[in-house]
Amino acid sequence: EVQLVESGGGLVQPGRSVRLSCAASGFSFDDYAMHWVRQAPGKGLEWVSSITWNSASIGYADSVKGRFTVFRDNAKNSLYLEMKSLTIEDTALYYCARGGIEALDYWGQGTLVTVSS
Amino acid sequence: IQLTQSPSSLSASVGDRVTITCRASQDIGSYLAWYQQKPGKAPKVLIYGASTSQSGVPSRFSGSGSGTDFTLTISSLQPEDFATYYCQRLNSYPRTFGQGTKVEIK
Repeated sequence: EVQLVESGGGLVQPGRSVRLSCAASGFSFDDYAMHWVRQAPGKGLEWVSSITWNSASIGYADSVKGRFTVFRDNAKNSLYLEMKSLTIEDTALYYCARGGIEALDYWGQGTLVTVSS
Repeated sequence: IQLTQSPSSLSASVGDRVTITCRASQDIGSYLAWYQQKPGKAPKVLIYGASTSQSGVPSRFSGSGSGTDFTLTISSLQPEDFATYYCQRLNSYPRTFGQGTKVEIK
């Protein structure tokens, strides 16, 4: 069974940093691209970042470019999102998702990041 | 590239045929997926490649289109279909989502 479990969220002050993690199981992690998608409270889905299986291609939304860094450790079946210079606009539920060029076919349940002083 | 969904919300009855459209600001070929999200749950993929149904998705869901104009159709709305639906482009970065269409009970 494919499982994606996010962690690392919580309350963080504006301007500070946080690292999210996504632990994957039930599939060959190094065969798949992975993604971060966020959803602010009461709002729609926002694609944040994607990374290919070998980290050769990485993309970011303009809203996070230069502040967020995605990386993965295939040996640990894990995906990460390093988030710096956080603002209140970064408050959201952050989902980890598996997928390639066709669709994001498995999603975690998300980890909530609340940016507030 | 922007994805514009319409309508933003709709009210429909059980048994109705529902159509949601997604328009891309540039040609994205068939690199479009549709997702369903229910409150408090993660999104679930319904359609990929613009028209291919994900395994296990009821046959009442169908997708069509290519280039810039896409459609998600629910042929006969069921009680469990009341949810928010999103399109997403996947051909290149940014992998933008549409703003969502909320399907509510009339």
